[in-house]
Amino acid sequence: DAGVIQSPRHEVTEMGQEVTLRCKPISGHNSLFWYRQTMMRGLELLIYFNNNVPIDDSGMPEDRFSAKMPNASFSTLKIQPSEPRDSAVYFCASSLATGRYNEKLFFGSGTQLSVL
Amino acid sequence: GESVGLHLPTLSVQEGDNSIINCAYSNSASDYFIWYKQESGKGPQFIIDIRSNMDKRQGQRVTVLLNKTVKHLSLQIAATQPGDSAVYFCADSNQGGKLIFGQGTELSVKP
Repeated sequence: DAGVIQSPRHEVTEMGQEVTLRCKPISGHNSLFWYRQTMMRGLELLIYFNNNVPIDDSGMPEDRFSAKMPNASFSTLKIQPSEPRDSAVYFCASSLATGRYNEKLFFGSGTQLSVL
Repeated sequence: GESVGLHLPTLSVQEGDNSIINCAYSNSASDYFIWYKQESGKGPQFIIDIRSNMDKRQGQRVTVLLNKTVKHLSLQIAATQPGDSAVYFCADSNQGGKLIFGQGTELSVKP
């Protein structure tokens, strides 16, 4: 299995521009998570989906952030408009939820976002 | 201006020694715990997990201990190797299902 695939690996953009991050979860996994990692805040959960449905988006910082999961094999995280404080590494992770447990999240390699 | 970042706890050990990385959690309702290893430039990698009905679980060279009384979790790495150098995160979850990560500990292994 190729694991969780994220693209792009690096993104450099200017303030005000729209940014779209992409994620392909591991085939067969039914939960998908978006995390953001910064030195100041560590790893923060932004949103997670179960069976393509958003379950908890309480970590999404502002209305500028939105996430979609149109099918079981693809998700996007969009920032519009982007701001310098959005600069971070964004990770996507997937897992196979059994009952109420989301066990063993598998992480992608992340997208390093720099907003100038 | 100068940016101030989060200073991770650090642990420095000699190659071949055992390492113990500690983690405290706050939610007494947490019933699932997990340790991740993150190397520079990579995503977190699963190491070992444990449910709240257990006190100890062993893997290959790693052991996780759970003390629910004091809400403490530890990761023990036997015969630490240079390849173990990384940042280690603990995470916990409760019935809500989402994993909440701690701040991490940076392990440095001296050859």
